Amino acid sequence: DAMVIQNPRYQVTQFGKPVTLSCSQTLNHNVMYWYQQKSSQAPKLLFHYYDKDFNNEADTPDNFQSRRPNTSFCFLDIRSPGLGDAAMYLCATSRDYTYNEQFFGPGTRLTVL
Amino acid sequence: AQSVTQPDIHITVSEGASLELRCNYSYGATPYLFWYVQSPGQGLQLLLKYFSGDTLVQGIKGFEAEFKRSQSSFNLRKPSVHWSDAAEYFCAVGGKGGGADGLTFGKGTHLIIQP
Repeated sequence: DAMVIQNPRYQVTQFGKPVTLSCSQTLNHNVMYWYQQKSSQAPKLLFHYYDKDFNNEADTPDNFQSRRPNTSFCFLDIRSPGLGDAAMYLCATSRDYTYNEQFFGPGTRLTVL
Repeated sequence: AQSVTQPDIHITVSEGASLELRCNYSYGATPYLFWYVQSPGQGLQLLLKYFSGDTLVQGIKGFEAEFKRSQSSFNLRKPSVHWSDAAEYFCAVGGKGGGADGLTFGKGTHLIIQP
């Protein structure tokens, strides 16, 4: 019954060691979003894909990259995680841009040691 | 640029009492408005949404919200809270055709339920 799945739920990495977070969806939605949510803060949009078109937010650090090999999967790559990148990372999907209703996954909690 | 303000960082309510969480938005046209709930360590679950039409919208878990254009508000209400309602609540705004900008969230209101 799960619609937006994120793996792993908890990820621990070392300072500077690349890490990849995964998101998959069974909704066949065109749009997939990645948000970063630091402790006690609102989710902040990093980037999104509309189909294969990548759209980066202006203030997203270059350290963050994303891939979408097919409709169902989207990956968030952090090339050199810093202590400040420790956060909950939320994946969301939307059918298209029209109504902007987004369905969220459970999130991946990233710890950087 | 659109923005959302949730003036209350924490709210404490006794179980069985009524609840109102405040949300004010800034947007140049009629916005799309959402309330999400987040339990500890979990993702966001949509409670309700407003796109157009009736300004009083019903959601899941007995929640409702009222869109008031004149006050730029979209407050969330529940007549009687349960201990399981303790969570973080986020108000969010999205613009028409603005899916490319994602959602803009408020900073959240932490709801504490007293027995």
